[in-house]
Amino acid sequence: DIVMTQSPDSLAVSLGERATINCKSSQSVLYSSNNKNYLAWYQQKPGQPPKLLIYWASTRESGVPDRFSGSGSGTDFTLTVSSLQAEDVAVYYCHQYYSIPHTFGRGTKLEIK
Amino acid sequence: EVQLVESGGGLVQPGGSLRLSCAASGFSFTTYGMNWVRQAPGKGLEWVSYISSSSSTTYYADSVKGRFTISRDNAQSSLYLQMNSLRDEDTAVYYCARGADGYNHWGQGTLVTVSS
Repeated sequence: DIVMTQSPDSLAVSLGERATINCKSSQSVLYSSNNKNYLAWYQQKPGQPPKLLIYWASTRESGVPDRFSGSGSGTDFTLTVSSLQAEDVAVYYCHQYYSIPHTFGRGTKLEIK
Repeated sequence: EVQLVESGGGLVQPGGSLRLSCAASGFSFTTYGMNWVRQAPGKGLEWVSYISSSSSTTYYADSVKGRFTISRDNAQSSLYLQMNSLRDEDTAVYYCARGADGYNHWGQGTLVTVSS
């Protein structure tokens, strides 16, 4: 199984500042035949289901604000919130869909400083 | 509007069974693979099972293999999860989620509690 390791476990950032969350996979999730990274990011607020933010490591889902961006390739990935808003307080998960079983990181709790 | 609505959760004793349902609407159900993902109270996300659009392919997490069965009825736009031999550690909110390349729509979830 591919293990997804997120860091940090929690993060406190001031409003308007940048937040960066890291995700490392235990093996590459880059499929060489199509040069795509099978990596997604989700946001989950209390009492709500997860919401897809980013797929293919860097493609923003429709309707997601452009302050959210994803980067990285192979085994190392980053989710960046360029200017933190109050509504961004949530837990963020990375997710690999390269191989079965699909696996998630343990989550990063993002809070306001 | 895409909607996924789970039902069938509840309290069940260890060793018991439950059947979860997910009613889909607002999209062409027959063209999408579907998943069940669960979340234990206060914990992270765990993928449980996947079924292809035609039901030809199914996959399971090792933790549920041999106990859970995923199925779908494309005529009814419904997804199911038959859960047998339930254990305490199966206690979780169960979500149905659409897609295979990132799960782009999720239901609100249904709570399954396994306890004596």
